[in-house]
Amino acid sequence: QSVLTQPPSASGTPGQRVTISCSGSSSNIGSNTVNWYQQLPGTAPKLLIYSNNQRPSGVPDRFSGSKSGTSASLAISGLQSEDEADYYCAAWDDSLNVNWVFGGGTKLTVL
Amino acid sequence: QVTLRESGPALVKPTQTLTLTCTFSGFSLSTSGMCVSWIRQPPGKALEWLARIDWDDDKYYSTSLKTRLTISKDTSKNQVVLTMTNMDPVDTATYYCARGIWFGEYYFDYWGQGTLVTVSS
Repeated sequence: QSVLTQPPSASGTPGQRVTISCSGSSSNIGSNTVNWYQQLPGTAPKLLIYSNNQRPSGVPDRFSGSKSGTSASLAISGLQSEDEADYYCAAWDDSLNVNWVFGGGTKLTVL
Repeated sequence: QVTLRESGPALVKPTQTLTLTCTFSGFSLSTSGMCVSWIRQPPGKALEWLARIDWDDDKYYSTSLKTRLTISKDTSKNQVVLTMTNMDPVDTATYYCARGIWFGEYYFDYWGQGTLVTVSS
């Protein structure tokens, strides 16, 4: 059972805009920033978004992040076939101890 | 160029202690604002954070696993070591190390390729 809640799956057609949600609580998303990772099959996670909405160099501007209260979202516009992957949100959690918590992951299928 | 590589046994027996080493290059763990974390992923499941060690040797552990984990660093060798005691088949996973960089909070920008550890008798 993951601390952050994501939908298990999402889908879209090429060119579409897709959003993936991530829900948490006051001790994680509500008080800390959110990161998003993309994991292609058989590979290590790759940082897509840090500090809620910042893109590392090299990440296309088709990927964007936002946060409001205890929830966050990742939006992918102009969907491409190579975007088919698992997506994870992550945030620090200050509830009992400093822990970095993840969502359960969302499998994105490009139809 | 920042790189990280995990190494350790591919197979351990139940009750044994696992020792994993993360060897990195392209940054120094003695530099302010740097850290290294270990994260694992059981086959077909989600990511789980395990531990973090900061440039100033502060250490943080997963609440659920802290009694079994120890993290340490050797700055001169650019290595971070994680030990996990009393291994169980449920600990079968790919174990990743990742570099953390401070931007108001730590976030993890570079990850190793991961090493699969299977726990079986």
